[in-house]
Amino acid sequence: GEDVEQSLFLSVREGDSSVINCTYTDSSSTYLYWYKQEPGAGLQLLTYIFSNMDMKQDQRLTVLLNKKDKHLSLRIADTQTGDSAIYFCAERMDTGRRALTFGSGTRLQVQP
Amino acid sequence: EAGVAQSPRYKIIEKRQSVAFWCNPISGHATLYWYQQILGQGPKLLIQFQNNGVVDDSQLPKDRFSAERLKGVDSTLKIQPAKLEDSAVYLCASSLGTGAPDTFGSGTRLTVV
Repeated sequence: GEDVEQSLFLSVREGDSSVINCTYTDSSSTYLYWYKQEPGAGLQLLTYIFSNMDMKQDQRLTVLLNKKDKHLSLRIADTQTGDSAIYFCAERMDTGRRALTFGSGTRLQVQP
Repeated sequence: EAGVAQSPRYKIIEKRQSVAFWCNPISGHATLYWYQQILGQGPKLLIQFQNNGVVDDSQLPKDRFSAERLKGVDSTLKIQPAKLEDSAVYLCASSLGTGAPDTFGSGTRLTVV
């Protein structure tokens, strides 16, 4: 079955890099996503990666995928206080039920 | 570009009452999603529409929840009768294609007492 797990909390200092980790169980997942949720707001799609890729970079964001270990990470370079939010990873299969399965989210706190 | 609009922002009802939520997606987005987000958890898909047809409602508790998108634009989600465990934020999202939601509304926070 589908299951996505994330650590609950991460605290970093402004200017440092943040690495948010996620593990998933379904080996047939073909798309993996990262969303950001600020307090009182809906989710914002940050980036996604296809399962045939190992890495994707988009400005300050780097996504790494280890398909063998079913491990996904999001690295935020030069973390700013505006990056404080909850980050969700999500997986989606390309066949069968295509709905996203979300993790429970990692709260990132950026200390000034 | 206007975002996904949802109303009301907050709602408090007693158990066994009914409630309805409204969503207006981004103009031109064919796919509309309703998610339930319980405190401390990730969103869970309730129903997905493409235009005015249902793509996935496998996790919608159909004995009490219903949703419609009659003209393929805005949508309503109804709960009747509500239970305590329905307390959650109900998020609406939309996208051009059917891959994944790219824009979410701010949600309706429902408290059932």
